[in-house]
Amino acid sequence: SAVISQKPSRDICQRGTSLTIQCQVDSQVTMMFWYRQQPGQSLTLIATANQGSEATYESGFVIDKFPISRPNLTFSTLTVSNMSPEDSSIYLCSVEDGAGDWETQYFGPGTRLLVL
Amino acid sequence: KQEVTQIPAALSVPEGENLVLNCSFTDSAIYNLQWFRQDPGKGLTSLLLIQSSQREQTSGRLNASLDKSSGRSTLYIAASQPGDSATYLCAPRESWGKLQFGAGTQVVVTP
Repeated sequence: SAVISQKPSRDICQRGTSLTIQCQVDSQVTMMFWYRQQPGQSLTLIATANQGSEATYESGFVIDKFPISRPNLTFSTLTVSNMSPEDSSIYLCSVEDGAGDWETQYFGPGTRLLVL
Repeated sequence: KQEVTQIPAALSVPEGENLVLNCSFTDSAIYNLQWFRQDPGKGLTSLLLIQSSQREQTSGRLNASLDKSSGRSTLYIAASQPGDSATYLCAPRESWGKLQFGAGTQVVVTP
């Protein structure tokens, strides 16, 4: 199974600032996703990170707020822009390699963000 | 829009009892369904993936069933242990990769 790391693991930020979260996978994968888990809630998909093209965003999420990059098949970044306290959440990266494990999705450890 | 419901929301059992966790979903046109566990302050660990063409999938003490036509999946955990204490999430997958998560069942297994 894919091993996923995320940086930073946690951060405390001031409102109005931006934070970039990195997701690194130990093997090339076909699909990468970014999810948000707000306090006490389940996970919600933000977007699918597409290699070499713009990310595909879910309803309620926009590129200006959550710009995503995916320069290659093992790395992606999610930026949370112009943060407000409502952005305090856990942000998780997941991957699907489409081989061997019948499209099982694996998740990174998450980035815990607190916005003051 | 896919709606996923997990019942019960919380469950507390003594060690050794079997656990039954239920998941229902409104749109039966799913590609597969995945069960995860989430420990406090941690990410998600994949437990089982069951394809839409399968009725059952087993891994050790875990067994997941799927009744796609009625929109239900059940996760059975045999002979529970304190280490099984966690939140369990079910997530049916749409064809292009999106997982839709339920709110989870919080399980506590007491020694």
